[in-house]
Amino acid sequence: EAGVAQSPRYKIIEKRQSVAFWCNPISGHATLYWYQQILGQGPKLLIQFQNNGVVDDSQLPKDRFSAERLKGVDSTLKIQPAKLEDSAVYLCASSLTRLGAGELFFGEGSRLTVL
Amino acid sequence: GESVGLHLPTLSVQEGDNSIINCAYSNSASDYFIWYKQESGKGPQFIIDIRSNMDKRQGQRVTVLLNKTVKHLSLQIAATQPGDSAVYFCAENIFQYGKLTFGQGTILTVHP
Repeated sequence: EAGVAQSPRYKIIEKRQSVAFWCNPISGHATLYWYQQILGQGPKLLIQFQNNGVVDDSQLPKDRFSAERLKGVDSTLKIQPAKLEDSAVYLCASSLTRLGAGELFFGEGSRLTVL
Repeated sequence: GESVGLHLPTLSVQEGDNSIINCAYSNSASDYFIWYKQESGKGPQFIIDIRSNMDKRQGQRVTVLLNKTVKHLSLQIAATQPGDSAVYFCAENIFQYGKLTFGQGTILTVHP
């Protein structure tokens, strides 16, 4: 079974530029999550989708971050404009159901460096 | 609780020893807990979970202990191997909300 796919793996941009990350969850997984992991810290939830609807985006900096999950499958996370403190690994995860977070399957992440 | 940045707790053990990694969780309403292993350059990988109606759960070479009185979780790894070297995170959740909150990680280094 294919895992969670993410791209690009690495991205370097200058502050105030924009960037987009893509995620393809495991087939059949209804719930999709975007996490931000700053170096030396645990992942922090940015947004959670159930199918194509947003369940929780309380920690998403909405002035610069946006995410969508069209058709309830793939998802994109966009940052515009980027700040230095956005340098982090952006992890996408999916689970079969929302209850209990089930068993979250993570992708390998997209590492963003903002200069 | 929130992570404290770059100064992660570390644990160094010899191959074959048993390892114990500890975690304090913050929300007394949390009723579901998961341990994750994260190797360098990879996403977190599920190890074992436990519901709050249990005190102990065993997997293959791993055991999770839950003490709700003091809001403490531990992960025991038996006969630790070099391949176990990674950062280990505990995560807490309120089951019906399905939202995991990750704790501070612990760096485990296993010496051959």
